[in-house]
Amino acid sequence: DTAVSQTPKYLVTQMGNDKSIKCEQNLGHDTMYWYKQDSKKFLKIMFSYNNKELIINETVPNRFSPKSPDKAHLNLHINSLELGDSAVYFCASSTRTGFETQYFGPGTRLLVL
Amino acid sequence: AQSVSQHNHHVILSEAASLELGCNYSYGGTVNLFWYVQYPGQHLQLLLKYFSGDPLVKGIKGFEAEFIKSKFSFNLRKPSVQWSDTAEYFCAVNLAGNTGKLIFGQGTTLQVKP
Repeated sequence: DTAVSQTPKYLVTQMGNDKSIKCEQNLGHDTMYWYKQDSKKFLKIMFSYNNKELIINETVPNRFSPKSPDKAHLNLHINSLELGDSAVYFCASSTRTGFETQYFGPGTRLLVL
Repeated sequence: AQSVSQHNHHVILSEAASLELGCNYSYGGTVNLFWYVQYPGQHLQLLLKYFSGDPLVKGIKGFEAEFIKSKFSFNLRKPSVQWSDTAEYFCAVNLAGNTGKLIFGQGTTLQVKP
């Protein structure tokens, strides 16, 4: 059973397009996160949601819009894609915000041409 | 600003060699500490974590880490590495009162030669 899943696994698109990445967790967790891993493998948090409420928004361009329809899903929509958006995007979840272990999904490798 | 520093960016070892990867953080308050591993082409997996109690924690696959509060360090160790340990290793910190934001180090690439 996949605990945290993401779709798609790979995404290749042209500059200026709009795309979405979906994340689902079946762990019963209340909190979900999006992280970006750049070409140097540096990981940085982008957003977190707790029970569908935005908790963290880390100075991410407003072209990125997270959406949480329920606590098991956290999707990431990106408008007007730019070359610099090319990265691996990881979704994660934890039982609650704060001091808890985060469990990561397999990542979505986005390449903007 | 809080930060996590991993001293070794790229480590190359032969099988059976001992491993120690350094991790230091800059925050004076209470923290939770983690080591995650990313095998080639795979997602991040939790290797071990420290929340409280015994500062020497044991994780999966024979890894252990020691939290030294006075040195703000959480170094990862393994007495004898295997070729299958080839991966990226990330140290991460979660700050008390924080909203769950994990602050990651820049990662260490470990290459184990057979």
